[in-house]
Amino acid sequence: LAKTTQPISMDSYEGQEVNITCSHNNIATNDYITWYQQFPSQGPRFIIQGYKTKVTNEVASLFIPADRKSSTLSLPRVSLSDTAVYYCLVGEWGLTGGGNKLTFGTGTQLKVEL
Amino acid sequence: DTGVSQDPRHKITKRGQNVTFRCDPISEHNRLYWYRQTLGQGPEFLTYFQNEAQLEKSRLLSDRFSAERPKGSFSTLEIQRTEQGDSAMYLCASSFGQGVNEKLFFGSGTQLSVL
Repeated sequence: LAKTTQPISMDSYEGQEVNITCSHNNIATNDYITWYQQFPSQGPRFIIQGYKTKVTNEVASLFIPADRKSSTLSLPRVSLSDTAVYYCLVGEWGLTGGGNKLTFGTGTQLKVEL
Repeated sequence: DTGVSQDPRHKITKRGQNVTFRCDPISEHNRLYWYRQTLGQGPEFLTYFQNEAQLEKSRLLSDRFSAERPKGSFSTLEIQRTEQGDSAMYLCASSFGQGVNEKLFFGSGTQLSVL
């Protein structure tokens, strides 16, 4: 699975847009990019997944440039409740018999203040 | 859909004791995963089931660890002769395998403390 690099921590204020960038220079052709969010004492929660260009859902947007060597998770107008660890994962999901062996890094600790 | 349920939420045990954790996945999810997470680190893959078959085990899963998923429903993770290094959060996740769009749904985990 491709290795990812993301900032250890980020600080923001309520109402701001937050962009967390993840580098994955050796991403493979069949790899997808997925982001999970984790609050203290809880398991990770799926946020968004994409392969190329832009993906948007009700929670976030994911921007992936043409070379796919990086991706940016965009959280619009964050609130205090968005304070969490955000993980960027790259891998080929759902192969027959292979399962979804997510490889988490240390993630980005986002802290949102008033 | 009641989510992935794990029991107990917390477990304190003495070194050398055996412990067992239970995971109840989302109904009809055919895949079930176990992960381990230590403080400040991301979750690490331990093992994975498709229905009742255990298809893969990580090197992290020593012979003191065993996982089962009888009848393809709930799963148990047992740790024998616990060591202090086993102290961690043990997370269970389930999914309905749908190829590249597969999403994992995690439980809240079992926090194990080995004294």
